[in-house]
Amino acid sequence: QKEVEQNSGPLSVPEGAIASLNCTYSDRGSQSFFWYRQYSGKSPELIMFIYSNGDKEDGRFTAQLNKASQYVSLLIRDSQPSDSATYLCAVISSGSARQLTFGSGTQLTVLP
Amino acid sequence: DAGVIQSPRHEVTEMGQEVTLRCKPISGHDYLFWYRQTMMRGLELLIYFNNNVPIDDSGMPEDRFSAKMPNASFSTLKIQPSEPRDSAVYFCASTRQGSGNTIYFGEGSWLTVV
Repeated sequence: QKEVEQNSGPLSVPEGAIASLNCTYSDRGSQSFFWYRQYSGKSPELIMFIYSNGDKEDGRFTAQLNKASQYVSLLIRDSQPSDSATYLCAVISSGSARQLTFGSGTQLTVLP
Repeated sequence: DAGVIQSPRHEVTEMGQEVTLRCKPISGHDYLFWYRQTMMRGLELLIYFNNNVPIDDSGMPEDRFSAKMPNASFSTLKIQPSEPRDSAVYFCASTRQGSGNTIYFGEGSWLTVV
């Protein structure tokens, strides 16, 4: 069983819509959760991190964490074509000092 | 502030040759990571260092792979001998204690073994 699971997509949304990206993880003791964005041919870039249950908002991005369900999501409001990228969910599992385990990523396309 | 610097950015080599990838972490960062990314397997952690000491190398695929960090500002990942299945993007990343676990990636080294 993969430790971090994401729907690979592709996910397409129209410009201005809300894009919803989902991620589940297997280690119940995981404490730190991250969303990275990766444009084609580029390196992963941190968008948000979340440690506590609930929502965390940063501009158009909202991360949601539900530890009981072992679920983390990323909402992108007012999606723009420039948001088109692969979004990687990453988790630091219990017992790991700094090691990120990544999901396989969800490819998002925002249609003009 | 300069980010994580990797070299070479692109390398094409023949099977059996030795490949050395280089990384300079962000100044002041005490953790360094080597990741490999392929379409099939996604981003995989190969090895990471803390204060120049290898902490976990369980992701290193086999003995052909080795990594060193002789000082706080330099690390190498070596593949000897290289094989076509080693073709991937190799990312170096770094972070520091107390940074909230924010890990910064270099731009990657694109390796093709033919």
